[in-house]
Amino acid sequence: KAGVTQTPRYLIKTRGQQVTLSCSPISGHRSVSWYQQTPGQGLQFLFEYFSETQRNKGNFPGRFSGRQFSNSRSEMNVSTLELGDSALYLCASSFAASKETQYFGPGTRLLVL
Amino acid sequence: AQSVTQPDIHITVSEGASLELRCNYSYGATPYLFWYVQSPGQGLQLLLKYFSGDTLVQGIKGFEAEFKRSQSSFNLRKPSVHWSDAAEYFCAVGADYGQNFVFGPGTRLSVLP
Repeated sequence: KAGVTQTPRYLIKTRGQQVTLSCSPISGHRSVSWYQQTPGQGLQFLFEYFSETQRNKGNFPGRFSGRQFSNSRSEMNVSTLELGDSALYLCASSFAASKETQYFGPGTRLLVL
Repeated sequence: AQSVTQPDIHITVSEGASLELRCNYSYGATPYLFWYVQSPGQGLQLLLKYFSGDTLVQGIKGFEAEFKRSQSSFNLRKPSVHWSDAAEYFCAVGADYGQNFVFGPGTRLSVLP
């Protein structure tokens, strides 16, 4: 069974631009969560989607948004990029419940210049 | 809300020595507990998990962890560390519906030859 895939793996953007990251969960998994990882803040939860609905949201500004499609694939979007948005963005999938094992993708490394 | 602490930010051990990484959690009910490992620039890989039953759980790569409810701890152990174990280790607690999966701040492990 294929693992969680994330595209692209690396991105370079400039301040003010927007970016869309994609995540394909493990087949059969319906929950997708997104995390931001930085050296200073560690792993921070962005949001979780389940069956195309946002089920939970972390403490991030509205510039960060996401969605989930009927095939469980998910995208996250960051508008008006800031330098502080430079981070590793990790996607994780689980079968259904938030407490279940989360399986992580390799991440997308975003650099904002 | 649940929380996870990992008291040690950085640990250095010699190859062949034993290892114990500490994890303490705060959670109102029986927790779902996890240990993940992350190599530089990579996603998180699940080492082991505890849901219920035997409090000593075995994982991949020779790791084990013991759940101690009285101490709210879930410490990770390995009897003999290999140089390839150098990485960052995250303890996490699974969430009830409506709450997010919570990670500890991580412990960076360095291995001396």
